[in-house]
Amino acid sequence: RKEVEQDPGPFNVPEGATVAFNCTYSNSASQSFFWYRQDCRKEPKLLMSVYSSGNEDGRFTAQLNRASQYISLLIRDSKLSDSATYLCVVNREEYGNKLVFGAGTILRVKS
Amino acid sequence: DTEVTQTPKHLVMGMTNKKSLKCEQHMGHRAMYWYKQKAKKPPELMFVYSYEKLSINESVPSRFSPECPNSSLLNLHLHALQPEDSALYLCASSPLKQGKTEAFFGQGTRLTVV
Repeated sequence: RKEVEQDPGPFNVPEGATVAFNCTYSNSASQSFFWYRQDCRKEPKLLMSVYSSGNEDGRFTAQLNRASQYISLLIRDSKLSDSATYLCVVNREEYGNKLVFGAGTILRVKS
Repeated sequence: DTEVTQTPKHLVMGMTNKKSLKCEQHMGHRAMYWYKQKAKKPPELMFVYSYEKLSINESVPSRFSPECPNSSLLNLHLHALQPEDSALYLCASSPLKQGKTEAFFGQGTRLTVV
């Protein structure tokens, strides 16, 4: 089983839709969690950090469920510019800050 | 300011060449990382430096040699690479202050080995 698992998608949604991505992690000792977005041939950019149960920033909401070992990302009112790959990242701090990436979920927002 | 600067942006090298990738950050971050990313795959961790000491080496072949001259700089020395080493090489840094461990990435060096 992979340490961080994501549904690869692609998720094809119309503009204005609400879309949710899930990510599961295998190691219960993981302390901190992040969502990154990556555009084609660009570097990953930090979207949200999740240190406690959740975080909200505008149209984006991240939730952490430690008991079930999953993190979710909700995007409301999708824009064309939200089209990207969304990467779930888990920090294994006991290994000296080892950031482990999921394979990513592709989102395509269409007009 | 969350800027991590990598040079060069593109590099083409032969299998017998020696080259270096450079990474710089002036945010006072205490952890720096090298990742390798192949097309349509997520970044794979190569090395982590925490407080200027190598804390993680993900069993990377010795033809890749990291160096951290000071807290702001990170180099990756390349020697006798193979064509399959062609990839996007990403540098990142993390604050490690007040529990903040998120990484900020540079734009990457796109490496082609011929």
